[in-house]
Amino acid sequence: GENVEQHPSTLSVQEGDSAVIKCTYSDSASNYFPWYKQELGKRPQLIIDIRSNVGEKKDQRIAVTLNKTAKHFSLHITETQPEDSAVYFCAASRGRNFGNEKLTFGTGTRLTIIP
Amino acid sequence: NAGVTQTPKFRVLKTGQSMTLLCAQDMNHEYMYWYRQDPGMGLRLIHYSVGEGTTAKGEVPDGYNVSRLKKQNFLLGLESAAPSQTSVYFCASSYGRSTNEKLFFGSGTQLSVL
Repeated sequence: GENVEQHPSTLSVQEGDSAVIKCTYSDSASNYFPWYKQELGKRPQLIIDIRSNVGEKKDQRIAVTLNKTAKHFSLHITETQPEDSAVYFCAASRGRNFGNEKLTFGTGTRLTIIP
Repeated sequence: NAGVTQTPKFRVLKTGQSMTLLCAQDMNHEYMYWYRQDPGMGLRLIHYSVGEGTTAKGEVPDGYNVSRLKKQNFLLGLESAAPSQTSVYFCASSYGRSTNEKLFFGSGTQLSVL
């Protein structure tokens, strides 16, 4: 089955700086990679996702890049703000023909933005 | 819409006690899931349901049972709680089964088993 590794487990950055979280996956057939954000005491929420037919996707200050050859994908947050402090989870699956029960999550990264 | 609602939010059990966690969604979603979240282990799927009256095992089903008698509700039961089941439990739902369909999560239940 799929194995997703996520690094680092904790990350602290100064407000205004950039943050990068990286995930590697094992199943070369995986082609859908969502990112979920979980603020302290709140529910995880999807913030961005990418499919393997694109190498990068942006949404305002967040972006995700995908390297299928190396089997890794990364979340980039620019101009970080205090509200970016949260735990971020990456995930991987084989995509639209497979159910959410096949979604494999990474172990999470706790991002702290230092004012 | 309330989205996905979980009850209770917190619970402390003694080893061997039983309890049921309730998940309710008002989005008419077909698919519902129960996850547990442990430090350093991310989200792991316990059981899931692809429709009313159906359930299936996920990655870590041992020690848990589930039921989906109504489309909007998905219950997670612990028949004889063990300390290893201390965790944060999240329910989620999705409109479709495909991983293209985003998961909507509940706010979680923090369970401690002493």
